[in-house]
Amino acid sequence: DSGVTQTPKHLITATGQRVTLRCSPRSGDLSVYWYQQSLDQGLQFLIQYYNGEERAKGNILERFSAQQFPDLHSELNLSSLELGDSALYFCASSAPYQETQYFGPGTRLLVL
Amino acid sequence: GIQVEQSPPDLILQEGANSTLRCNFSDSVNNLQWFHQNPWGQLINLFYIPSGTKQNGRLSATTVATERYSLLYISSSQTTDSGVYFCAVDQTGANNLFFGTGTRLTVIP
Repeated sequence: DSGVTQTPKHLITATGQRVTLRCSPRSGDLSVYWYQQSLDQGLQFLIQYYNGEERAKGNILERFSAQQFPDLHSELNLSSLELGDSALYFCASSAPYQETQYFGPGTRLLVL
Repeated sequence: GIQVEQSPPDLILQEGANSTLRCNFSDSVNNLQWFHQNPWGQLINLFYIPSGTKQNGRLSATTVATERYSLLYISSSQTTDSGVYFCAVDQTGANNLFFGTGTRLTVIP
């Protein structure tokens, strides 16, 4: 158990819908990262937050957004869902001044 | 952008055998991490190793940053070592990892 929690574990929804994925980092970690793992794109970095502020963006679509709250948990919002958004979405966290990232169990999203 | 190539793409081992997995990257990096994704999908951090050598039990890793490669050694493999091994790098300094395509390891009893 990495100490990073993600909910829900599985999510099935329809095209055009909106979903929210939730992540709680390890105690004491200030950085939260979101990654997407799909069969065709592999593991891709989406976005990073540090202590409530957006720090870096990767290959995140405009239909996707995220935020980190004062209690440091983070949410990834996916809207106008398409079939191609079906993937495993991971959250990771790291401690201040530490590079090692600890991954949560992921949320498996299926868009029908 | 940076290219991260892992080899071999697939590897089948008998339990007890040793193996070496390789990660080549096309540009200088300031961060390199190895991960194991088990058959249930969980990603486990094995090493943070931007340079040098580290060992953790039956696993060890070496990164030669000047030659742009890293190696992961697995000794006395066990069936629980099965899964996909990823190498991930960062060039930005912001710790945003770029993942390779992985090596799928199957250890058979």
